[in-house]
Amino acid sequence: AQSVTQLDSHVSVSEGTPVLLRCNYSSSYSPSLFWYVQHPNKGLQLLLKYTSAATLVKGINGFEAEFKKSETSFHLTKPSAHMSDAAEYFCVVSDLKGEGTSYDKVIFGPGTSLSVIP
Amino acid sequence: EAQVTQNPRYLITVTGKKLTVTCSQNMNHEYMSWYRQDPGLGLRQIYYSMNVEVTDKGDVPEGYKVSRKEKRNFPLILESPSPNQTSLYFCASSFLPAGANVLTFGAGSRLTVL
Repeated sequence: AQSVTQLDSHVSVSEGTPVLLRCNYSSSYSPSLFWYVQHPNKGLQLLLKYTSAATLVKGINGFEAEFKKSETSFHLTKPSAHMSDAAEYFCVVSDLKGEGTSYDKVIFGPGTSLSVIP
Repeated sequence: EAQVTQNPRYLITVTGKKLTVTCSQNMNHEYMSWYRQDPGLGLRQIYYSMNVEVTDKGDVPEGYKVSRKEKRNFPLILESPSPNQTSLYFCASSFLPAGANVLTFGAGSRLTVL
């Protein structure tokens, strides 16, 4: 069964410093992995996704994540934080069970709240 | 514009008064799903649908009903709301398989049950 752990419920960084949001997952098959962002009073928006192509995935707004199978991790990084990055971030995992399965359960992590200090 | 539209965005109601939250998408997505978001718990799936007249329970279906009579619409029904259903609700849709495709989310519906 799949599961997702986001290791920090809250992260605070200064503007212009690097961002690291940690995500570990468990999966029985070949996982798809996503990061979604939720700005205050908004719906969720895709940041990036991994689906077994390149292990380093680039997303919007300068974010990227690296899939490390040996560590079962998919940490989200950004070299330099901006005030507009303050939001809730969700790591999401889904198993691709192969042909014949048209639905794959999508599991959300509990979220990490990112604060950016001026 | 491709979007998922939820209504109402905000609602305060009382225990036992039936309510419906509507969800509509204009992207011809097969898959639609309802989630509730509570502090510290992330998003938990209530119900999902893979196509018209095909619905199934998610992780927290108790107290909710859904229907999928048209491909674009997936309403969430609370027959007899209780205070523990006070939450932020999101509708989402995607092409199948849901696990490999990006979910498009509505803006959310904040429900308070007194």
